[in-house]
Amino acid sequence: EAQVTQNPRYLITVTGKKLTVTCSQNMNHEYMSWYRQDPGLGLRQIYYSMNVEVTDKGDVPEGYKVSRKEKRNFPLILESPSPNQTSLYFCASSSAWRGGYGYTFGSGTRLTVV
Amino acid sequence: QQPVQSPQAVILREGEDAVINCSSSKALYSVHWYRQKHGEAPVFLMILLKGGEQKGHDKISASFNEKKQQSSLYLTASQLSYSGTYFCGTERRAGNMLTFGGGTRLMVKP
Repeated sequence: EAQVTQNPRYLITVTGKKLTVTCSQNMNHEYMSWYRQDPGLGLRQIYYSMNVEVTDKGDVPEGYKVSRKEKRNFPLILESPSPNQTSLYFCASSSAWRGGYGYTFGSGTRLTVV
Repeated sequence: QQPVQSPQAVILREGEDAVINCSSSKALYSVHWYRQKHGEAPVFLMILLKGGEQKGHDKISASFNEKKQQSSLYLTASQLSYSGTYFCGTERRAGNMLTFGGGTRLMVKP
């Protein structure tokens, strides 16, 4: 089944404790992105990647890191999480071919930083 | 720059029609439409590329006016299953980041 898999689904952590949210897709997609979703603010892009070793900042990159060493994986790293990073996070992937297909989203990771 | 969606919310009775608009101040390469149900991930509905095309499947269709940088999503004869929040997303060029509008909350009542 074609899908984007995020882990974990839920995470509660303490301020300053480094964490990684994993994202993997099995569709051989070139493009991958991370979004955060907060009430009243919609979906805001954190980082995106056009292909392996090619990443760029989105609208809200502060406090986050990403890497794209393999085509299928795009982990999101919070080096020193803070309470304002409490949010619902989505990973998404897309083919570079725009012939009718958009982004496929993962199921989301709900992160709480206390 | 974030596209602007309108209206922010709409309530319909089953069978009624709705239009959701999305506009950008910048030239666009593509417009995407997604639907998100409560507690779930957004689901892709359709994509429109510059060229002013119109697309649709079933009773949901969309248009893209390249000159005005505006897109509209049309939902006809709405069903209960259409309820959710609709987002448009815009790309300014191929491979560029996809920026989402603030969303339109649609509620269909029996």
